[in-house]
Amino acid sequence: DADVTQTPRNRITKTGKRIMLECSQTKGHDRMYWYRQDPGLGLQLIYYSFDVKDINKGEISDGYSVSRQAQAKFSLSLESAIPNQTALYFCATSDTSGRHNEQFFGPGTRLTVL
Amino acid sequence: EDQVTQSPEALRLQEGESSSLNCSYTVSGLRGLFWYRQDPGKGPEFLFTLYSAGEEKEKERLKATLTKKESFLHITAPKPEDSATYLCAVLAWGGATNKLIFGTGTLLAVQP
Repeated sequence: DADVTQTPRNRITKTGKRIMLECSQTKGHDRMYWYRQDPGLGLQLIYYSFDVKDINKGEISDGYSVSRQAQAKFSLSLESAIPNQTALYFCATSDTSGRHNEQFFGPGTRLTVL
Repeated sequence: EDQVTQSPEALRLQEGESSSLNCSYTVSGLRGLFWYRQDPGKGPEFLFTLYSAGEEKEKERLKATLTKKESFLHITAPKPEDSATYLCAVLAWGGATNKLIFGTGTLLAVQP
């Protein structure tokens, strides 16, 4: 089984709809992240969470919200979807222990807003 | 401002033709430089972490090196299965921890 899973994998929705993307991990990591990826652009950080009670905005948080339901679960919501939120969304995790800071990514959710 | 630039944007190689990808960075203080491989429609897959100038890491046909201003990903005798987008990211000292700054990637195509 994959260490970081995302649901759904693909979603098509209409402008104005509320959408939730979910992320679960079995790696036991305390830190979780949401990114979006657009063609020709680098991965952009939307929100990140260092533990269940800690939520922080990233570079492009406008129009998004998150919920850290448990150490292993981190959800991203689009309150009222708009077409320029069409993108590939990735969840990632990392561990604070030791020197290692690498992040491990899920398979992604392809979101299309019509 | 912290910044990461990758070049070239795209690279086409023949099978067996060795080459290098470049990642130039400008950060206030480097905590780590990361290389990822990304296949179409999939999440980035972690390859290497480099922490200090002079450090090298190897994995199969890939070798990553680091200087104070840039990192290279050397691909020796590539095979078609090495075709992917290679992403570079840096983690800088100061501010919130674990915020990676990504480059836009190099799209590598290896033809048989």
